[in-house]
Amino acid sequence: GQSLEQPSEVTAVEGAIVQINCTYQTSGFYGLSWYQQHDGGAPTFLSYNALDGLEETGRFSSFLSRSDSYGYLLLQELQMKDSASYFCAVTGGGNKLTFGTGTQLKVEL
Amino acid sequence: EAGVAQSPRYKIIEKRQSVAFWCNPISGHATLYWYQQILGQGPKLLIQFQNNGVVDDSQLPKDRFSAERLKGVDSTLKIQPAKLEDSAVYLCASSLETGDYEQYFGPGTRLTVT
Repeated sequence: GQSLEQPSEVTAVEGAIVQINCTYQTSGFYGLSWYQQHDGGAPTFLSYNALDGLEETGRFSSFLSRSDSYGYLLLQELQMKDSASYFCAVTGGGNKLTFGTGTQLKVEL
Repeated sequence: EAGVAQSPRYKIIEKRQSVAFWCNPISGHATLYWYQQILGQGPKLLIQFQNNGVVDDSQLPKDRFSAERLKGVDSTLKIQPAKLEDSAVYLCASSLETGDYEQYFGPGTRLTVT
């Protein structure tokens, strides 16, 4: 089966940098994704890592280490609108997506 | 490009009643997913369709849940009879093909079972 662990809550100030970690145990691994979900909203895709290393998309970057079964999402120049839940998700056997329990990010002034 | 459409947005029913949710995926997307998201948790895959065939329904409680995608486009998820623990947001998502890592989610249906 699949299991993912991420912190339940992270708080940071506007303009700061925050890192949300994700560790996973999986039978079969194709890649690690990150999704953002605002309260009452739909999850929206942020990034995907299939290979080790850092992927950068604007203010957001995502990192993967397959050997450590570990990844993180890095958010730079935090804005109030970044307050949301962030989910890591593993694409595993059968190309099935399994989500973590989510990290609630609170951005404060 | 229109996004994934779902209806209704909210539904309140009593336990043992039945309920149905509808989803219309993004045009041209062959793969459609239904997820259940309980408050404070991540989405959990219930069933995955490729066109009108089921790819994975291993986590679908088949004694009470059913889903179909008869013409390979829109889909319906049904619960009969509902239990209190079915209270959740039911999310529909679609992707171009199975294995595509980017899934597009609809706004969800918030179900409350009393």
